[in-house]
Amino acid sequence: DIQLTQSPSVLSASVGDRVTITCRASQGINSYLAWYQQKPEKAPKLLIYAASTLQSGVPSRFSGSGSGTDFTLTISSLQPEDFATYYCLQLNAYPLTFGGGTKVEIK
Amino acid sequence: QVQLQESGPGLVKPSETLSLTCTVSGGSVSSGSYYWSWIRQPPGGGLEWIGYVYYSGHTNYNPSLRSRVTMSVDMSKNQFSLRLNSVTAADTAVYYCARYLTVSDYGDSLDYWGQGTLVTVSS
Repeated sequence: DIQLTQSPSVLSASVGDRVTITCRASQGINSYLAWYQQKPEKAPKLLIYAASTLQSGVPSRFSGSGSGTDFTLTISSLQPEDFATYYCLQLNAYPLTFGGGTKVEIK
Repeated sequence: QVQLQESGPGLVKPSETLSLTCTVSGGSVSSGSYYWSWIRQPPGGGLEWIGYVYYSGHTNYNPSLRSRVTMSVDMSKNQFSLRLNSVTAADTAVYYCARYLTVSDYGDSLDYWGQGTLVTVSS
């Protein structure tokens, strides 16, 4: 199985901060990587696919980059509604696997 | 707008079979463009992909659960289903169904999700 390691596991930040989350794959996955946002008691919401393509309707303050084994999700200016847990997902090989999650909390 | 909705018992006894159904609206499970997936999340834990079923009946399961999982599609009801047998407390989780989109240029994703349903395994 391909392992995805997210860091940090918890991130404390303030409204307006620039936030970066990383996801490292145990082997190359090309650009078969998606990012999700999950709020408590809700299903994950797709933010980015193909490592850097913004899903329709997602605010432009979210961006993704990377290919191969190293990926990042950046929120350019953190908004109150962005406090949530973020997961990466690799779709390069089966079984599909998720990162362990990064909780973005209020500083 | 595609919507998915999970349904099934919220409580299952140990050693019995967990059965869930996902009803799709605003789209068709018989579309050849999509696979239909199940994902689960234990309380306070991370996400685990269980597998997918295609409209043809083709399936792909996570090896960690393969011996206990069966997925199927009912095109007449626009539904797909999950069965997980011989459950234990470790199978207690929120179970999500999702649409798995595969496209060119690395654009695969689980793009639409159901709201999730909590299944507790307990006697």
